[in-house]
Amino acid sequence: QVQLQQWGAGLLKPSETLSLTCAVYGGSFTGYFWNWIRQSPGKGLEWIGEINHSGGTNYNPSLKSRVTMSVDTSKNQFSLRLRSVTAADTAVYYCARGPRHRYYDRTERLEHWGQGTLVTVSS
Amino acid sequence: QSVLTQPPSASGTPGQRITISCSGSSSNIGSNTVNWYQQLPGTAPKLLIYSNNQRPSGVPDRFSASKSGTSASLAISGLQSEDEADYYCTTWDDSLNGHVFGGGTKLTVL
Repeated sequence: QVQLQQWGAGLLKPSETLSLTCAVYGGSFTGYFWNWIRQSPGKGLEWIGEINHSGGTNYNPSLKSRVTMSVDTSKNQFSLRLRSVTAADTAVYYCARGPRHRYYDRTERLEHWGQGTLVTVSS
Repeated sequence: QSVLTQPPSASGTPGQRITISCSGSSSNIGSNTVNWYQQLPGTAPKLLIYSNNQRPSGVPDRFSASKSGTSASLAISGLQSEDEADYYCTTWDDSLNGHVFGGGTKLTVL
């Protein structure tokens, strides 16, 4: 059974860098895209980006300039860094796994999700 | 403002059938498959429907979905109290080159 367990700093000051890691247990790392999604308090879901096992990425254009995703296949982990955070980045951040689309270099659906990490940006 | 448009709320009584709509454009729903997620209060979203109308293993057949043109819809029949949740549609947008979500629909079971 696939499980995603995520962690990272929960309280940041404006201008700092958000850093989250997600570990994958019980499943293959290849053949999938590894995603980050966030949800601001009381709001809907926003896709941040995705990375595959070889480091290929797709990012949300509105966040692309501040986002870096990386993967460590030796540890079955992937990570998110979001630079220069502001209060608008306060949200619950989720990691998720999805199979690669059969035709395109992106995920097809998000089958397994982490538990979520609340990140608060406040001075 | 979300790229995909969903009604903010929906409601029904136990046993009733309800539908939730998701409206997009030719660059997203019109040219890609749609997935639906269910988010129970305080939990992570769960995949409910993928590839327009496919149910993952374990999802009751009370949940169904369809797509036509640039719109999609989720139907829940035999409504139950445990169906009270937020529902999100999502797809890929060819113009934005990214996954986009609807704003979500909060379903209340009266």
